[in-house]
Amino acid sequence: DAGVTQSPTHLIKTRGQQVTLRCSPKSGHDTVSWYQQALGQGPQFIFQYYEEEERQRGNFPDRFSGHQFPNYSSELNVNALLLGDSALYLCASRWRASTAHEQFFGPGTRLTVL
Amino acid sequence: DQQVKQNSPSLSVQEGRISILNCDYTNSMFDYFLWYKKYPAEGPTFLISISSIKDKNEDGRFTVFLNKSAKHLSLHIVPSQPGDSAVYFCAARAGGSQGNLIFGKGTKLSVKP
Repeated sequence: DAGVTQSPTHLIKTRGQQVTLRCSPKSGHDTVSWYQQALGQGPQFIFQYYEEEERQRGNFPDRFSGHQFPNYSSELNVNALLLGDSALYLCASRWRASTAHEQFFGPGTRLTVL
Repeated sequence: DQQVKQNSPSLSVQEGRISILNCDYTNSMFDYFLWYKKYPAEGPTFLISISSIKDKNEDGRFTVFLNKSAKHLSLHIVPSQPGDSAVYFCAARAGGSQGNLIFGKGTKLSVKP
C-alpha cells in the first residue's frame, strides 16, 4: 500500500519564477492538504482540496494556487517566487468520510529560492 | 499570534528514562490534539491523539495528557529509546472533522544511550 508520494524531492528556483509541486495521496484517500514548513517552524496550512475544489485556505497570498485531479492527485503552484518561499512543502491526505482525524504526510519537496 | 506553542526547542533524555514534551494552546474550540514525529528527510508521522473531551490517551509507551482548564497537553514516552530521537510536533485540529491542523514549532528530542 503506497503512502503519500511527492515530487520532486528537491527544487532550486530563482526569484520571480514559477514552480509546480506534485502529490499523490495514499491509496483510498480523497482529500489532499498542503502545508509549508519554513526552517525552525512547524508546518503551516496552505489549502485543502476535495472533489477537485479548494475547500479551505490558510493565510497565504493568491500567488499560491492548487489543483486536484479526478484521480485525487494534486498540484501546488507558486507564482512570482520570493526568497521567503524557500521551505519544505508537505502534502497530507485523508479519506474525507473516515472518522479518523489524523492526516498522512508525504516526505515533502524542499524548495530553495535564490 | 501562535495558537499552538511548544516552548522547548529541544530536550535531552537518557535511554530508559521518561521523556515529557509539552504543548500549550490558546483556542478553546480545538476538538482534537495530535502528536506527530518527524525524522530528517521524512514527512511527519502520526503518533497519538486525544479528543478534547478526554484527559488521557495511552498507546504502548506513549501517553498524552490533556488539561483543558490550563490549555495544556503533554506527551510522555516511557521508557525512552534512542530510536525515539526526532522532532515532535504538537498539532490541534480546528473547524471540526474536516478541519486543518495547526502545528507548534516542534521539540527536538535526543535520547542518549
